[in-house]
Amino acid sequence: GQQVMQIPQYQHVQEGEDFTTYCNSSTTLSNIQWYKQRPGGHPVFLIQLVKSGEVKKQKRLTFQFGEAKKNSSLHITATQTTDVGTYFCAGPGTSYDKVIFGPGTSLSVIP
Amino acid sequence: EAQVTQNPRYLITVTGKKLTVTCSQNMNHEYMSWYRQDPGLGLRQIYYSMNVEVTDKGDVPEGYKVSRKEKRNFPLILESPSPNQTSLYFCASSLRRGSEPQHFGDGTRLSIL
Repeated sequence: GQQVMQIPQYQHVQEGEDFTTYCNSSTTLSNIQWYKQRPGGHPVFLIQLVKSGEVKKQKRLTFQFGEAKKNSSLHITATQTTDVGTYFCAGPGTSYDKVIFGPGTSLSVIP
Repeated sequence: EAQVTQNPRYLITVTGKKLTVTCSQNMNHEYMSWYRQDPGLGLRQIYYSMNVEVTDKGDVPEGYKVSRKEKRNFPLILESPSPNQTSLYFCASSLRRGSEPQHFGDGTRLSIL
């Protein structure tokens, strides 16, 4: 069946270092979404990418959608302690009504 | 304030005792969904609903039931809970489709003994 994978599973960085998480789908996606979940919290929508090769920025966060629309990445420049949490990618399942989430990348930032 | 409200937030119960987790949204969203979150597995979709009286299975529907009698409510029912259903559950909603940004509730932590 369709799978969405993310690497790495965990990442520990020193505050100020950069961070990247990668998302790979076994099938082509019509769009991809990114969510952030703070410890003890619920997932919060960050952004949606739709076009092949699309790049979007939100302050220190840069999101990319691959040319083949099967992979995506989230890059954080100069991490801060407020970036701590788990980052999930998600895409439509084989039916547009289903949603498949990746397993997430947990980010720890050491002050 | 736009929100998705789940109740209860925490529940400890025993095997076989029927339970219901309620979910309500005030955004007039058509699409609602239930997920369970387990360590290392991310969020897995249990059931979703496109509109009133329209529900369908996600990836892990076994042992769960849902209903959508009103647009705002989407309860999750465990008829005979078992320990492998111990998990963190999230309800979410989006405007029309699952492929649109979803708003999540605060979560319900269920422990089945």
